Amino acid sequence: KAGVTQTPRYLIKTRGQQVTLSCSPISGHRSVSWYQQTPGQGLQFLFEYFSETQRNKGNFPGRFSGRQFSNSRSEMNVSTLELGDSALYLCASSSTGGRRNEQYFGPGTRLTVT
Amino acid sequence: SQQGEEDPQALSIQEGENATMNCSYKTSINNLQWYRQNSGRGLVHLILIRSNEREKHSGRLRVTLDTSKKSSSLLITASRAADTASYFCATDERDSGGSNYKLTFGKGTLLTVNP
Repeated sequence: KAGVTQTPRYLIKTRGQQVTLSCSPISGHRSVSWYQQTPGQGLQFLFEYFSETQRNKGNFPGRFSGRQFSNSRSEMNVSTLELGDSALYLCASSSTGGRRNEQYFGPGTRLTVT
Repeated sequence: SQQGEEDPQALSIQEGENATMNCSYKTSINNLQWYRQNSGRGLVHLILIRSNEREKHSGRLRVTLDTSKKSSSLLITASRAADTASYFCATDERDSGGSNYKLTFGKGTLLTVNP
């Protein structure tokens, strides 16, 4: 099976702009989770989608949003970008999500905000 | 909040030696997972140990779990230069509603294996 893919891999944006990142999960996986990774805060959970519904959400401001399509592909959007949003954004898929399933991560999107 | 906390933050060893990393957590868990991340890339799942298990092996990896001490350890035996990476433990954390779970990661241990 093909792994989790994320596009784009690298992105440079200016403060105040918005950005949309895309994630295609492993075929058959219905759960997609998003994480932000920074040197200072480490890996932080953004949100999880399952069958097109947001099932869980981390402690991020409303500027961070996401959605999931019927084919399980997911997008996350960050509006009004701030310098502190510069990070590696990782998505992960699992067959059902929840508490017992391992997650398969994509290579990440490196976002730089200038 | 940080559920899993790895120790040490960084570890440097020679090829062939064993590497041990520890993880402590705060609340009760259903399972604990270990992941590896090569520099700036995605995470790779290594092993999952359930709360009713005490030890698990996978190749050169050995994971132990002590729920009474809320701690886990990851042992990599006969390390190789290719094992150089960051290693994270992750625990499932229930949301405030109590019905859904999310993985909470520690800040990781950076392992360097020198050839």
